[in-house]
Amino acid sequence: EVQLVESGGGLVKPGGSLRLSCAASGFTFSSYSMNWVRQAPGKGLEWVSSISSSSSYIYYADSVKGRFTISRDNAKNSLYLQMNSLRAEDTAVYYCARAFCSSTSCYTGGNYWGQGTLVTVSS
Amino acid sequence: AIQLTQSPSSLSASVGDRVTITCRASQGISSALAWYQQKPGKAPKLLIYDASSLESGVPSRFSGSGSGTDFTLTISSLQPEDFATYYCQQFNNFGGGTKVEIK
Repeated sequence: EVQLVESGGGLVKPGGSLRLSCAASGFTFSSYSMNWVRQAPGKGLEWVSSISSSSSYIYYADSVKGRFTISRDNAKNSLYLQMNSLRAEDTAVYYCARAFCSSTSCYTGGNYWGQGTLVTVSS
Repeated sequence: AIQLTQSPSSLSASVGDRVTITCRASQGISSALAWYQQKPGKAPKLLIYDASSLESGVPSRFSGSGSGTDFTLTISSLQPEDFATYYCQQFNNFGGGTKVEIK
């Protein structure tokens, strides 16, 4: 059974840092691109960042570029998101999601998501 | 960047109703569109990919159609467990969501 379990969320002051982790199991982690998607309270879904299976390709939303760093450790079946210079608008539930590719298209949302971890940026 | 506009943003419907949600892309995206269902406090669930392909395990009352810039998610007979928010997605772009509420 595919499982994605996020951890590392919490309350942090503006300007602070936090590192999220996502532990993957039930599939060959090293074969899949992975993503972070967030959802602010009462708001819609927002893609944050993607990393390819071998970390060769990394992408960020403009809203987090230069502040967040995505990484992965295939030996540990883990995905990470280092978040620096946090702002109030970064407050959200952060989901890790396995990328899904059909024969013609790829979707960063995918068909497997974690339960999410809440990040609250407030003084 | 491609923008996805969903309509309506919310709707009220009764059990058994046929419900249609629209997603319009700011430029042509062929059939590269997915639909998700999200219930409060839960992660999104993939329903449809490639505009009209039903994800494994998803009830057949859900269907998708469209290509280019205009797409539709249809629930043929709304069930109590279908009250949720629905999102369309193209690659890493999400629509704003449509909340389906009980009338």
